[in-house]
Amino acid sequence: GENVEQHPSTLSVQEGDSAVIKCTYSDSASNYFPWYKQELGKGPQLIIDIRSNVGEKKDQRIAVTLNKTAKHFSLHITETQPEDSAVYFCAASTSGGSYIPTFGRGTSLIVHP
Amino acid sequence: EAGVVQSPRYKIIEKKQPVAFWCNPISGHNTLYWYLQNLGQGPELLIRYENEEAVDDSQLPKDRFSAERLKGVDSTLKIQPAELGDSAVYLCASSLAGQGAPGEQFFGPGTRLTVL
Repeated sequence: GENVEQHPSTLSVQEGDSAVIKCTYSDSASNYFPWYKQELGKGPQLIIDIRSNVGEKKDQRIAVTLNKTAKHFSLHITETQPEDSAVYFCAASTSGGSYIPTFGRGTSLIVHP
Repeated sequence: EAGVVQSPRYKIIEKKQPVAFWCNPISGHNTLYWYLQNLGQGPELLIRYENEEAVDDSQLPKDRFSAERLKGVDSTLKIQPAELGDSAVYLCASSLAGQGAPGEQFFGPGTRLTVL
């Protein structure tokens, strides 16, 4: 089955800095890669996703890159704000038939004001 | 629009007792998921429903866990009897799956179970 590794487990930055979270996956059949943000006491919320036919996707301060050859993908947050503090999860899945995402272990992002 | 509703939010029970969690998905969503989330980990799928049919339940410990989704809407996840290792957050999510394309998963707030 799929195995998703996520690094770092904790990331501490100053407000305004950039933050980068990296994930690797093992199943070459995976072609859909969502990223989730989970705030304390809440369920994960989708913030951005990318499919394998795209190398990069951007949405305001958030961007995701995908390297299919190396089987890794990354989340980039620019101009971080204190409200970006949360746990971020990457996931990998196939998009056809059964959609069963395999999640990474999460990165706790702390943005200091 | 209301999001995914789960109840109870918190539950504390003694080991060997039964417990049940309830989930009401977003209206119209045909796919429903139950996940287990241990502290410091990502969610792990327990079971997935498409309408009222359980289509992925290989990760559900069937000796003590059961689930149902009557009429393809609300769902209940039950543990009987509960063990200490079952302490975790149980998340419900729903989506509107398209033709071969994953719909965005919407998660509920979860039920935090503590087994003493």
